[in-house]
Amino acid sequence: GDSVTQMEGPVTLSEEACLTINCTYTATGYPSLFWYVQYPGEGLQLLLKATKADDKGSNKGFEATYRKETTSFHLEKGSVQVSDSAVYFCALKEETSGSRLTFGEGTQLTVNP
Amino acid sequence: KAGVTQTPRYLIKTRGQQVTLSCSPISGHRSVSWYQQTPGQGLQFLFEYFSETQRNKGNFPGRFSGRQFSNSRSEMNVSTLELGDSALYLCASSWDRYNEKLFFGSGTQLSVL
Repeated sequence: GDSVTQMEGPVTLSEEACLTINCTYTATGYPSLFWYVQYPGEGLQLLLKATKADDKGSNKGFEATYRKETTSFHLEKGSVQVSDSAVYFCALKEETSGSRLTFGEGTQLTVNP
Repeated sequence: KAGVTQTPRYLIKTRGQQVTLSCSPISGHRSVSWYQQTPGQGLQFLFEYFSETQRNKGNFPGRFSGRQFSNSRSEMNVSTLELGDSALYLCASSWDRYNEKLFFGSGTQLSVL
């Protein structure tokens, strides 16, 4: 079945440091890929998405590129802020799965001033 | 525009009881899906409803059930509660089953004592 694997956390960075959170996936078809973010006490918010190979999703300074050859969708940001502290989830959705998302384990990011 | 509303926000029950959680999707959204979030298992898909019909179901026992009403509001029910059912239950809505963007509510935190 489908699965998503994220790098182990938690990740602690200083403000303005570079961020990379690794995500790899296993899927039977041609999935769409997503990064969601969860702030304390809140639900998940879509951060960015990519629907086909070589697509780059971007939002709020975050980027991720859909790499079919390496089955990866790593999240990157050049300069993190304290307000980026949250849990980040990589997810995939198969074309035929309706609204069903398969999530990774989540990576807790803490950014210190 | 109001977001996805889940009620109640917190719930405490004892083993053996049953519980009903409610989800009101964003106005105009017709697809509602439910997820269970726990520290050990992460985010797991429960089920998806569209046009009052269950379209997809995750790997959960029959004690977990749901329904959707004609106004797209959804409820999920858990009978004969077990300690392991303690979790954050998240509801997500979208325009239709295959829309890429899901909007999540803040969740209902269920504690089973």
